[in-house]
Amino acid sequence: AQSVTQPDIHITVSEGASLELRCNYSYGATPYLFWYVQSPGQGLQLLLKYFSGDTLVQGIKGFEAEFKRSQSSFNLRKPSVHWSDAAEYFCAVGRTGTASKLTFGTGTRLQVTL
Amino acid sequence: DTGVSQNPRHKITKRGQNVTFRCDPISEHNRLYWYRQTLGQGPEFLTYFQNEAQLEKSRLLSDRFSAERPKGSFSTLEIQRTEQGDSAMYLCASSPGTGLYNEQFFGPGTRLTVL
Repeated sequence: AQSVTQPDIHITVSEGASLELRCNYSYGATPYLFWYVQSPGQGLQLLLKYFSGDTLVQGIKGFEAEFKRSQSSFNLRKPSVHWSDAAEYFCAVGRTGTASKLTFGTGTRLQVTL
Repeated sequence: DTGVSQNPRHKITKRGQNVTFRCDPISEHNRLYWYRQTLGQGPEFLTYFQNEAQLEKSRLLSDRFSAERPKGSFSTLEIQRTEQGDSAMYLCASSPGTGLYNEQFFGPGTRLTVL
Protein backbone atom coordinates (compact mmCIF):
# COMPACT_ATOMS: atom_id res chain seq x y z
CA ALA A 1 0.00 0.00 0.00
CA GLN A 2 1.19 3.50 -0.70
CA SER A 3 2.05 5.93 2.09
CA VAL A 4 3.35 9.48 2.48
CA THR A 5 5.51 10.92 5.23
CA GLN A 6 5.85 14.61 5.93
CA PRO A 7 8.46 14.75 8.70
CA ASP A 8 7.92 18.38 9.65
CA ILE A 9 4.69 19.10 11.48
CA HIS A 10 5.32 22.83 11.80
CA ILE A 11 7.81 25.16 10.10
CA THR A 12 8.37 28.86 10.70
CA VAL A 13 10.20 31.03 8.17
CA SER A 14 10.72 34.74 7.79
CA GLU A 15 9.08 36.54 4.92
CA GLY A 16 11.49 36.65 2.00
CA ALA A 17 13.38 33.56 3.11
CA SER A 18 13.52 30.37 1.09
CA LEU A 19 11.36 27.38 1.92
CA GLU A 20 11.64 23.64 1.54
CA LEU A 21 8.94 21.24 2.74
CA ARG A 22 9.86 17.58 2.82
CA CYS A 23 7.82 14.70 1.50
CA ASN A 24 8.78 11.03 1.31
CA TYR A 25 6.56 8.43 -0.25
CA SER A 26 6.36 4.67 -0.30
CA TYR A 27 5.07 3.04 -3.44
CA GLY A 28 6.13 0.06 -5.52
CA ALA A 29 6.08 1.72 -8.90
CA THR A 30 6.30 5.20 -10.36
CA PRO A 31 3.81 7.24 -8.39
CA TYR A 32 1.69 10.19 -9.25
CA LEU A 33 2.68 12.93 -6.78
CA PHE A 34 0.89 16.09 -5.72
CA TRP A 35 1.26 19.04 -3.41
CA TYR A 36 -1.89 20.72 -2.10
CA VAL A 37 -2.29 23.80 0.10
CA GLN A 38 -5.12 24.34 2.57
CA SER A 39 -5.88 27.69 4.15
CA PRO A 40 -8.15 27.91 7.21
CA GLY A 41 -11.77 27.29 6.27
CA GLN A 42 -10.82 26.55 2.68
CA GLY A 43 -10.67 23.44 0.59
CA LEU A 44 -7.49 21.97 -0.82
CA GLN A 45 -5.89 23.78 -3.73
CA LEU A 46 -3.48 22.00 -6.04
CA LEU A 47 -0.04 23.62 -6.18
CA LEU A 48 1.64 21.20 -8.57
CA LYS A 49 1.73 17.61 -9.74
CA TYR A 50 4.15 15.06 -11.14
CA PHE A 51 3.09 12.28 -13.48
CA SER A 52 6.17 11.61 -15.59
CA GLY A 53 8.93 13.33 -17.54
CA ASP A 54 10.92 16.24 -16.19
CA THR A 55 11.58 15.64 -12.51
CA LEU A 56 11.49 19.34 -11.66
CA VAL A 57 7.93 20.60 -11.85
CA GLN A 58 6.71 24.14 -11.61
CA GLY A 59 3.47 25.06 -9.94
CA ILE A 60 1.35 28.03 -9.06
CA LYS A 61 2.31 30.83 -6.69
CA GLY A 62 6.01 30.41 -7.46
CA PHE A 63 6.31 26.89 -6.00
CA GLU A 64 8.34 24.07 -7.49
CA ALA A 65 9.02 20.48 -6.52
CA GLU A 66 11.62 17.92 -7.50
CA PHE A 67 10.94 14.21 -7.83
CA LYS A 68 13.90 12.11 -6.71
CA ARG A 69 13.25 8.44 -7.29
CA SER A 70 16.44 7.31 -5.53
CA GLN A 71 15.36 9.07 -2.35
CA SER A 72 11.61 8.47 -2.74
CA SER A 73 11.14 12.17 -2.20
CA PHE A 74 9.10 14.99 -3.66
CA ASN A 75 10.13 18.11 -1.75
CA LEU A 76 8.37 21.42 -2.25
CA ARG A 77 10.40 24.60 -2.59
CA LYS A 78 9.90 28.31 -2.92
CA PRO A 79 12.80 30.78 -3.22
CA SER A 80 11.10 33.65 -1.39
CA VAL A 81 8.15 33.17 0.93
CA HIS A 82 5.34 35.71 1.22
CA TRP A 83 3.20 36.22 4.33
CA SER A 84 0.19 34.95 2.35
CA ASP A 85 1.88 31.54 1.99
CA ALA A 86 1.08 30.74 5.62
CA ALA A 87 -1.15 27.65 5.43
CA GLU A 88 -1.13 23.87 5.74
CA TYR A 89 0.65 21.96 2.99
CA PHE A 90 -0.13 18.37 2.07
CA CYS A 91 1.82 15.98 -0.09
CA ALA A 92 -0.18 13.20 -1.73
CA VAL A 93 0.48 10.12 -3.82
CA GLY A 94 -1.81 8.42 -6.30
CA ARG A 95 -1.64 4.94 -7.72
CA THR A 96 -0.59 4.45 -11.31
CA GLY A 97 -2.92 2.59 -13.61
CA THR A 98 -6.07 3.66 -11.85
CA ALA A 99 -8.00 6.84 -11.35
CA SER A 100 -8.94 6.47 -7.74
CA LYS A 101 -7.85 7.63 -4.37
CA LEU A 102 -5.09 9.91 -3.21
CA THR A 103 -3.12 9.08 -0.09
CA PHE A 104 -2.14 12.18 1.85
CA GLY A 105 0.58 12.91 4.36
CA THR A 106 -0.25 14.43 7.72
CA GLY A 107 0.64 17.91 6.52
CA THR A 108 3.11 20.65 7.39
CA ARG A 109 1.84 23.87 8.89
CA LEU A 110 3.81 26.87 7.61
CA GLN A 111 4.03 30.00 9.69
CA VAL A 112 5.55 33.14 8.14
CA THR A 113 6.98 35.84 10.36
CA LEU A 114 7.26 39.42 9.17
CA ASP B 1 -17.09 26.86 -13.65
CA THR B 2 -18.11 27.56 -10.08
CA GLY B 3 -16.01 24.86 -8.47
CA VAL B 4 -17.05 22.03 -6.21
CA SER B 5 -19.70 23.05 -3.70
CA GLN B 6 -20.66 21.32 -0.48
CA ASN B 7 -23.63 21.79 1.81
CA PRO B 8 -23.98 22.39 4.61
CA ARG B 9 -20.64 23.93 5.51
CA HIS B 10 -21.14 23.15 9.17
CA LYS B 11 -23.30 20.60 10.94
CA ILE B 12 -23.71 20.10 14.66
CA THR B 13 -25.66 17.07 15.75
CA LYS B 14 -26.26 14.91 18.77
CA ARG B 15 -24.90 11.42 19.04
CA GLY B 16 -27.24 8.90 17.52
CA GLN B 17 -28.76 11.23 14.96
CA ASN B 18 -28.50 10.78 11.21
CA VAL B 19 -26.87 13.39 9.00
CA THR B 20 -26.64 13.86 5.25
CA PHE B 21 -24.17 15.94 3.31
CA ARG B 22 -24.39 17.03 -0.31
CA CYS B 23 -21.65 17.57 -2.87
CA ASP B 24 -22.10 19.23 -6.26
CA PRO B 25 -19.10 18.54 -8.47
CA ILE B 26 -17.79 20.70 -11.26
CA SER B 27 -20.10 20.42 -14.22
CA GLU B 28 -19.31 17.47 -16.51
CA HIS B 29 -16.79 15.95 -14.11
CA ASN B 30 -17.32 12.20 -14.23
CA ARG B 31 -15.40 11.26 -11.12
CA LEU B 32 -16.38 12.19 -7.59
CA TYR B 33 -14.51 11.39 -4.37
CA TRP B 34 -15.26 11.65 -0.65
CA TYR B 35 -12.54 12.10 1.95
CA ARG B 36 -12.55 12.60 5.70
CA GLN B 37 -10.09 14.86 7.51
CA THR B 38 -9.66 14.87 11.27
CA LEU B 39 -7.76 17.49 13.24
CA GLY B 40 -4.04 17.37 12.60
CA GLN B 41 -4.32 14.76 9.87
CA GLY B 42 -4.38 14.71 6.13
CA PRO B 43 -7.53 13.75 4.23
CA GLU B 44 -8.34 10.04 4.18
CA PHE B 45 -10.13 8.44 1.25
CA LEU B 46 -13.65 7.18 1.85
CA THR B 47 -15.18 6.35 -1.51
CA TYR B 48 -15.14 7.12 -5.23
CA PHE B 49 -17.71 7.28 -8.04
CA GLN B 50 -17.30 7.07 -11.77
CA ASN B 51 -20.55 8.60 -13.01
CA GLU B 52 -23.22 6.91 -10.89
CA ALA B 53 -21.19 3.78 -10.15
CA GLN B 54 -19.48 3.50 -6.78
CA LEU B 55 -16.20 1.86 -7.74
CA GLU B 56 -14.18 1.84 -4.53
CA LYS B 57 -14.88 2.06 -0.82
CA SER B 58 -12.43 2.37 2.03
CA ARG B 59 -12.53 0.19 5.11
CA LEU B 60 -13.12 3.49 6.92
CA LEU B 61 -16.61 3.49 5.42
CA SER B 62 -18.44 1.48 8.04
CA ASP B 63 -21.98 0.16 7.67
CA ARG B 64 -23.28 3.40 9.13
CA PHE B 65 -21.96 5.32 6.14
CA SER B 66 -23.60 5.32 2.75
CA ALA B 67 -22.89 7.37 -0.34
CA GLU B 68 -24.90 7.78 -3.49
CA ARG B 69 -24.57 9.59 -6.76
CA PRO B 70 -27.87 9.30 -8.57
CA LYS B 71 -27.74 10.15 -12.27
CA GLY B 72 -24.03 10.77 -12.01
CA SER B 73 -24.39 14.37 -10.91
CA PHE B 74 -24.45 15.45 -7.25
CA SER B 75 -23.59 13.06 -4.47
CA THR B 76 -24.81 12.57 -0.93
CA LEU B 77 -22.99 11.08 2.04
CA GLU B 78 -25.18 9.87 4.88
CA ILE B 79 -24.02 8.88 8.33
CA GLN B 80 -26.49 6.96 10.45
CA ARG B 81 -26.43 6.81 14.26
CA THR B 82 -23.59 9.30 14.48
CA GLU B 83 -20.83 8.80 17.04
CA GLN B 84 -18.44 11.33 18.53
CA GLY B 85 -15.65 9.75 16.51
CA ASP B 86 -17.42 10.83 13.34
CA SER B 87 -16.58 14.46 14.09
CA ALA B 88 -14.40 15.58 11.20
CA MET B 89 -14.24 17.61 8.02
CA TYR B 90 -15.82 15.77 5.11
CA LEU B 91 -14.29 16.76 1.79
CA CYS B 92 -15.63 16.15 -1.68
CA ALA B 93 -13.54 16.29 -4.84
CA SER B 94 -14.22 15.82 -8.53
CA SER B 95 -12.11 15.22 -11.61
CA PRO B 96 -12.80 15.28 -15.35
CA GLY B 97 -12.31 11.56 -15.85
CA THR B 98 -11.03 11.87 -19.39
CA GLY B 99 -7.61 10.36 -18.76
CA LEU B 100 -5.86 7.75 -16.72
CA TYR B 101 -5.31 10.19 -13.92
CA ASN B 102 -6.65 13.65 -13.43
CA GLU B 103 -6.27 16.41 -10.94
CA GLN B 104 -8.85 16.28 -8.18
CA PHE B 105 -10.61 19.57 -7.42
CA PHE B 106 -11.72 19.87 -3.82
CA GLY B 107 -14.71 21.57 -2.30
CA PRO B 108 -14.59 23.63 0.93
CA GLY B 109 -15.78 20.71 3.03
CA THR B 110 -18.52 20.09 5.58
CA ARG B 111 -17.41 20.24 9.19
CA LEU B 112 -19.35 17.80 11.36
CA THR B 113 -19.45 18.09 15.14
CA VAL B 114 -21.12 15.28 17.06
CA LEU B 115 -22.00 16.17 20.63
